[in-house]
Amino acid sequence: DTEVTQTPKHLVMGMTNKKSLKCEQHMGHRAMYWYKQKAKKPPELMFVYSYEKLSINESVPSRFSPECPNSSLLNLHLHALQPEDSALYLCASSQGWPGRGGSPLHFGNGTRLTVT
Amino acid sequence: AQSVTQPDIHITVSEGASLELRCNYSYGATPYLFWYVQSPGQGLQLLLKYFSGDTLVQGIKGFEAEFKRSQSSFNLRKPSVHWSDAAEYFCAVVDSSYKLIFGSGTRLLVRP
Repeated sequence: DTEVTQTPKHLVMGMTNKKSLKCEQHMGHRAMYWYKQKAKKPPELMFVYSYEKLSINESVPSRFSPECPNSSLLNLHLHALQPEDSALYLCASSQGWPGRGGSPLHFGNGTRLTVT
Repeated sequence: AQSVTQPDIHITVSEGASLELRCNYSYGATPYLFWYVQSPGQGLQLLLKYFSGDTLVQGIKGFEAEFKRSQSSFNLRKPSVHWSDAAEYFCAVVDSSYKLIFGSGTRLLVRP
């Protein structure tokens, strides 16, 4: 069982809809991440939060809006998405930055998003 | 820039046979290296990690990996593959910005 919980598991939305993806962890981790994964491709980093502050935005379009309400929760707000945004969205968390002390990332099972 | 290469897109092995998945990295200093496994429709599960010390690293599910600085490699091995090992395997390295960079992945198929 994964210790990072993502909801919903599947989401279908139209291009004019507004929806949110949710992620929760209770491991006391202070870094949280959003990754996007297209079929047969590796995950691509979108955002990183460290101590509830946005640390990295990998030039993601503004139709994706992250939010970290507290140290256990991470949201990804979606608005006016395009069909090419259809993908598996993965949330992850780590005790600290992966290169400092080697904290590994723990991943959730993802939300499968389809934009119609 | 740091990078990681997995030269094999697909590998097929018979159940019970040994397995080696290749990973080559590009990094100036001692890298932080990881292997993750992803089953269809699932997230990524950490198999093992290397930071320093013993170059042979033991992981979960009977996997191990060996860090070879001279070859810039971190290959994943398992002595006897089970059908449940069929999945996508990703090697990853931490770059200078402390971001995790993934290789393109190797899909493992297991013949009965």
